Order: sequence, then C-alpha cells, then structure tokens
Amino acid sequence: SQTIHQWPATLVQPVGSPLSLECTVEGTSNPNLYWYRQAAGRGLQLLFYSVGIGQISSEVPQNLSASRPQDRQFILSSKKLLLSDSGFYLCAWIRNTEAFFGQGTRLTVV
Amino acid sequence: QQPVQSPQAVILREGEDAVINCSSSKALYSVHWYRQKHGEAPVFLMILLKGGEQKGHDKISASFNEKKQQSSLYLTASQLSYSGTYFCGTEDYSFGNEKLTFGTGTRLTIIP
Repeated sequence: SQTIHQWPATLVQPVGSPLSLECTVEGTSNPNLYWYRQAAGRGLQLLFYSVGIGQISSEVPQNLSASRPQDRQFILSSKKLLLSDSGFYLCAWIRNTEAFFGQGTRLTVV
Repeated sequence: QQPVQSPQAVILREGEDAVINCSSSKALYSVHWYRQKHGEAPVFLMILLKGGEQKGHDKISASFNEKKQQSSLYLTASQLSYSGTYFCGTEDYSFGNEKLTFGTGTRLTIIP
C-alpha cells in the first residue's frame, strides 16, 4: 500500500539556523509531490510542487527552497530561518485525484 | 489564486445543518473537499469531477456548479465529530502540471 512519511513531527529552531524537512513516499512511482505551510489558524498555502526528479515549481518567493533528489523523496530547506517561517508544514501527494498528507511538521522559530 | 470560502467560521448546535461555499476566480476542473482536525493533517472527504455533479456519504454531501465556478459542502444533522476546519481544493493544469490549491478554510464548531 502507498504511504507518505514526513519527519520530524516537531521542531524548534533559532532564528538564522538552517532547516531540512524530509518527505518520502512508499508504494508508488513518479508521484506529484507538494509542500504546504499552514500558519496558526490559517489556511493551507502551497509552497512548492514537483512532478518529477529535479523538477520544482515555486509558488511563493520566500526564504525556503525545495529539492527532489530521488523519485519518492521531497525535501524542504532553508539556509537561515526567519520568525515568519514558523508554522505547520505538510507534505502531500496525489493519487487518483485524492491528496494524501504526511503527519506534518510543526516548526517553531525562536 | 486561492479559492475563497465562506463563511470563515460557524458555530452550530448538534443536529443543525451547515453549508460551506467555495468560489474560484479561475475555471474549475474538479473540486476536492477535506476536513482537518486541530493539530492533524487534512483528510479527504470527496471529489467532484463534473459540473452539476452532486455527491455525498453519510450526512455530508457536496455540489459543483462549473459555470459559476463554485462548490458547496452540505453537512446535515451535524454531529460533534464534524467539528474541524474544512477546505476545498482545486486542481490547476497550467503548463501540463497538476497543482492543487486549497481554499481559505472554514472553521466549524459543533457544540452539544
């Protein structure tokens, strides 16, 4: 069966520190992968999406970047975190027009 | 552009009905609906693929008006378990890439 893994579940990082969040999908090949961010009490903002290895589309210019080094791996990174980067980050993929989400990473920048 | 949902928030007593609307400024190919419990990831409810389509399970149903670029989610005889934030999602196939964008969200609170 297909599953999506995302880690870590929670993270507290100081301002100016780097970030790396990883998402992997099992049981499928060549999935469309997505990174979303949700600020407290807000909606889901699409950050990046990828339709294949090395193919990244950015939705919002910001302090973050994404990479897809392998077919089923999607990484969200930052070189220097800002306070405004705090939020709930969700990785997702779509199968048969249904989106499946990882458990999310709650990032707090202090 | 993000679809706009209304209302932003609604409080109901158990057993009452609710309607959540989703409007897009772009043509809609399909509409997804998700529910998110606090602190958890969103969970898929249903998808509508055709204009005029209506779908539902249990006491939650939805309709899709392709011409008006709108969809509505109907919750009948609401239960405590219906509480959460509801999101519509729309797919965009610009440049051949599938992009899923979520609406602004509607927070539903059901009280006993």
